[in-house]
Amino acid sequence: EVQLVESGGGLIQPGGSLRLSCAVSGFAVSTNYMNWVRQTPGNGLEWVSIIYANVATYYADSVKGRFTISRDNSKNTVYLQMNSLTVEDTGVYYCAGGYNNYADFWGQGTQVTVSS
Amino acid sequence: DIQMTQSPSLVSASVGDTVSITCRASQSVRSWLVWYQQKPGKAPKLLIYATSTLQSGVPSRFSGSRSGTEFTLTITSLQPEDFATYYCQQTNTFPPTLGGGTKVEIK
Repeated sequence: EVQLVESGGGLIQPGGSLRLSCAVSGFAVSTNYMNWVRQTPGNGLEWVSIIYANVATYYADSVKGRFTISRDNSKNTVYLQMNSLTVEDTGVYYCAGGYNNYADFWGQGTQVTVSS
Repeated sequence: DIQMTQSPSLVSASVGDTVSITCRASQSVRSWLVWYQQKPGKAPKLLIYATSTLQSGVPSRFSGSRSGTEFTLTITSLQPEDFATYYCQQTNTFPPTLGGGTKVEIK
């Protein structure tokens, strides 16, 4: 059974940083596609970032230059380093993985709240 | 970026109805279109990939189709567990943009 478990969310002031983690079991992060997708208050889903193959990465324009996706193959874990956070980054962040560039598997999500 | 426009944003329907949701891409995404279902407080769930292929375990009352850059998710004989929000996503080009969602609510 595939399981994705996110952690690292919380309350942070604007301008601050957080690192989200996604621990994966039953599915290899090193050879598949791993995404971060967020759901902001009152809004729908927004794709944030992806990592796949030989650490190829892509980002949504809204986070480019501020967020960094990475992975630790030995821990089968994916990370999202989030810097220069703004209130617009508030939302539930989902880790999602797949054999192609869409998400077969999803975590339960972790809440990020950016507020002073 | 490719824009994905879903319509309608809200559908009111009854159990047993047939519901169709449309997703239009701003440019060609070929057949690289997926549909997710999301229930309140839960993570999205993959329903359909490559326009019309049902993910394992998804009931056959769900179907997907394409006409050019317009994609349709159809749910026949709506069941109580189908009341949820549905999202499309194009996976042809990075970034893999999502539609704005369609909420299917009980009439």
